[in-house]
Amino acid sequence: AQRVTQPEKLLSVFKGAPVELKCNYSYSGSPELFWYVQYSRQRLQLLLRHISRESIKGFTADLNKGETSFHLKKPFAQEEDSAMYYCALRSNFGNEKLTFGTGTRLTIIP
Amino acid sequence: DSGVTQTPKHLITATGQRVTLRCSPRSGDLSVYWYQQSLDQGLQFLIHYYNGEERAKGNILERFSAQQFPDLHSELNLSSLELGDSALYFCASSALQGAEGGYTFGSGTRLTVV
Repeated sequence: AQRVTQPEKLLSVFKGAPVELKCNYSYSGSPELFWYVQYSRQRLQLLLRHISRESIKGFTADLNKGETSFHLKKPFAQEEDSAMYYCALRSNFGNEKLTFGTGTRLTIIP
Repeated sequence: DSGVTQTPKHLITATGQRVTLRCSPRSGDLSVYWYQQSLDQGLQFLIHYYNGEERAKGNILERFSAQQFPDLHSELNLSSLELGDSALYFCASSALQGAEGGYTFGSGTRLTVV
């Protein structure tokens, strides 16, 4: 069974400080990993896919298969980064849903 | 605009009642997924439809049912409502049978059962 773990429910970081949101997964195959962001209970928006290896809003995430992690990082936090962040996994078999972690609420302290 | 439309945005109803939540996927997307988001449970997968056929079921109660119509819109029916059913219900769509490339989410329907 696939599982996504986000160990931190809450994370507070000062503006300008580095941010790291942790995500670990368990899955026996080669998964596809995502980060979604949700502002103020609005709809979830796709932030990053590990396949695309792009940087969005200054955030990056690297898939580490050895550690089964996909941590989200940003070197300098901004106030508008305050939101709920969800890590999600999709198996490499077709016809599979996304499995989400329980989310981390990031608060940027001015 | 994400392209996924959910109606209504808010719904307040009494225990024991039945409601229908509607979702129109992004144009061209054949897959529709329903999720329930509550404060204590996070995002829980309910059900997945692809081109009118049910593909996967998650933690969906027997009191809940869904369907996807020929025009690809989907409805989630919740019956015999209980206080604990109060939550945000999200619909998401994707182009393919699986979730390749991720989903596009709707804005959700906030259901309050009183």
